[in-house]
Amino acid sequence: QSALTQPASVSGSPGQSITISCTATSSDVGGFDYVSWYQQQPGKAPKLMIYEVSNRPSGVSNRFSGSKSGNTASLTISGLQADDEADYYCSSYTNYNFRFGGGTRLTVL
Amino acid sequence: EVQLVQSGAEVKKPGESLKISCKASGYSFTSYWIGWVRQVPGKGLEWMGFVYPGDSDTRYSPSFQGQVTISADKSITTAYLQWSSLKASDTAMYYCARLPPAGDHLDLWGQGTLVTVSS
Repeated sequence: QSALTQPASVSGSPGQSITISCTATSSDVGGFDYVSWYQQQPGKAPKLMIYEVSNRPSGVSNRFSGSKSGNTASLTISGLQADDEADYYCSSYTNYNFRFGGGTRLTVL
Repeated sequence: EVQLVQSGAEVKKPGESLKISCKASGYSFTSYWIGWVRQVPGKGLEWMGFVYPGDSDTRYSPSFQGQVTISADKSITTAYLQWSSLKASDTAMYYCARLPPAGDHLDLWGQGTLVTVSS
């Protein structure tokens, strides 16, 4: 069982905004300053979307944003597009060890 | 172009050994940790461990310590993941990924290597 808890699925219509949460257990909160988010489209490798809670790598759309409050991090996607349909994973990093959330499947209706 | 290119799919029998590779190009190979991530079909991502090619320092997830060996050859900018005795439960997609200096995220991923272990 992952120590980072994500909802199994979320959905939204094109143009809408959705938010995916990632909640850490007390043992993982320490590494929660280093939360990153990855998108995995069907049949593809994961892709970094957000790092250090709210930073976007070069080339990632500004429709993707990250935030954190207490022991819950969030990924928000605004202006949903069909191409956003994918699995999304949060991750925390502490002492040379990554933890991944169980993943959230985003369906664009 | 900055990229990680992994070796091709493998089909093996239980008990066999295997070494898969991850070829880096377009950046300073010895300045970034290279990690490995497992994904069982239909399941999520699992961190296995990583290697620092600059000095071959290696760190493992407790879940994979003793189960696999991670290494790197800086002369050919390639990282490796190997098994001495495969099990059916090792059937999965394996990804290599890069950790930036002083970083805490995986900013570049290989395309994945599918390993199938079946008698």
